[in-house]
Amino acid sequence: DSGVTQTPKHLITATGQRVTLRCSPRSGDLSVYWYQQSLDQGLQFLIQYYNGEERAKGNILERFSAQQFPDLHSELNLSSLELGDSALYFCASSPRGGAEGYTFGSGTRLTVV
Amino acid sequence: GQNIDQPTEMTATEGAIVQINCTYQTSGFNGLFWYQQHAGEAPTFLSYNVLDGLEEKGRFSSFLSRSKGYSYLLLKELQMKDSASYLCAAPSTGGGNKLTFGTGTQLKVEL
Repeated sequence: DSGVTQTPKHLITATGQRVTLRCSPRSGDLSVYWYQQSLDQGLQFLIQYYNGEERAKGNILERFSAQQFPDLHSELNLSSLELGDSALYFCASSPRGGAEGYTFGSGTRLTVV
Repeated sequence: GQNIDQPTEMTATEGAIVQINCTYQTSGFNGLFWYQQHAGEAPTFLSYNVLDGLEEKGRFSSFLSRSKGYSYLLLKELQMKDSASYLCAAPSTGGGNKLTFGTGTQLKVEL
């Protein structure tokens, strides 16, 4: 157990729907990162939050949004889902926003049908 | 930004040694990471190099040359369980220190 908790582990939904993925960072970690990994693709950075504030943004679609709550857990919202959004979505956390101690959760596998 | 290149796949024999190379081009430098990822699972941290040279950690070692923009991961006494994807990653030097990953090298260990 890495200490980073992601729920749900699996999600199957239809095109056009909206889903929310949840991440609880490791205890004491202030920074949360979201990544997307499609089949045979590398890890693509989506967005980072640090202590409730957006810190960095990657190639995140406008249909996707995220936030970090006062208890430091984070949610990634995916809307108007398309078949191409099917992927593994990973959350990682680190203590102070530095890359040292970057720990991943076990991921949410999203399947859009 | 960062540009990271590594071979797509490699095959090696159980008990052998394999070297996985990574070249990078970054707008700044803030260290280089290696992660291991088994299919469908989370990446797990292997090593972090910020200074030139070889860092040894059991069967795994990682080397860095900042002047050449080059790193390698050395795996000794290969075991079947080492079959996985090995990801090279570099942190950004702008705000956030997010990690940018290479596409990964899929290593297959055969008998």
